[in-house]
Amino acid sequence: DQQVKQNSPSLSVQEGRISILNCDYTNSMFDYFLWYKKYPAEGPTFLISISSIKDKNEDGRFTVFLNKSAKHLSLHIVPSQPGDSAVYFCAATSHSGGSNYKLTFGKGTLLTVNP
Amino acid sequence: NAGVTQTPKFRILKIGQSMTLQCTQDMNHNYMYWYRQDPGMGLKLIYYSVGAGITDKGEVPNGYNVSRSTTEDFPLRLELAAPSQTSVYFCASSRDTGAGYTFGSGTRLTVV
Repeated sequence: DQQVKQNSPSLSVQEGRISILNCDYTNSMFDYFLWYKKYPAEGPTFLISISSIKDKNEDGRFTVFLNKSAKHLSLHIVPSQPGDSAVYFCAATSHSGGSNYKLTFGKGTLLTVNP
Repeated sequence: NAGVTQTPKFRILKIGQSMTLQCTQDMNHNYMYWYRQDPGMGLKLIYYSVGAGITDKGEVPNGYNVSRSTTEDFPLRLELAAPSQTSVYFCASSRDTGAGYTFGSGTRLTVV
């Protein structure tokens, strides 16, 4: 059973426009969410995170929104740049049970930003 | 600061062969992990370790073994390679929460 779902395998946007990547989760125990970015032939790198006590977190061009009632989060990139072209993974963890160090990942969304 | 170093980067194995994927981190992180990524799939946790001498199974441990004799090293052993183990393997480490995950650059393994 997939607990973290990224239902869009790919997304294509024009440079300068907004990119919106979506993620849904089913485990109500998840209370911390992260986005990782991965370029080909490299390991994933941490991008931005959000705790369940917040509904928004912003870092430069990247903003993550969390809707707990819908069990949905989204990553907004504004403005999109060609260098943002990569696979984006949504991940989640729970701080209960002392296992907050283990992440559950979605399948990823390939973002292509066209010049 | 090298971070997490994985070797080798690529490897082709024949069915039934064995090999060890090496992983070393220089950040003094307590937690280390092995993930595999299959095409079109997310990262699946194979094994993890919360400190030297302590390891535990993740989601997909069958066919693999690990050891953690030091804080720095967390090798992954494949004893009898099978085609189903063709994948990209990522080692990662963290101090505590997921935000501190640092990944290695991966090992692409093909079993033929």
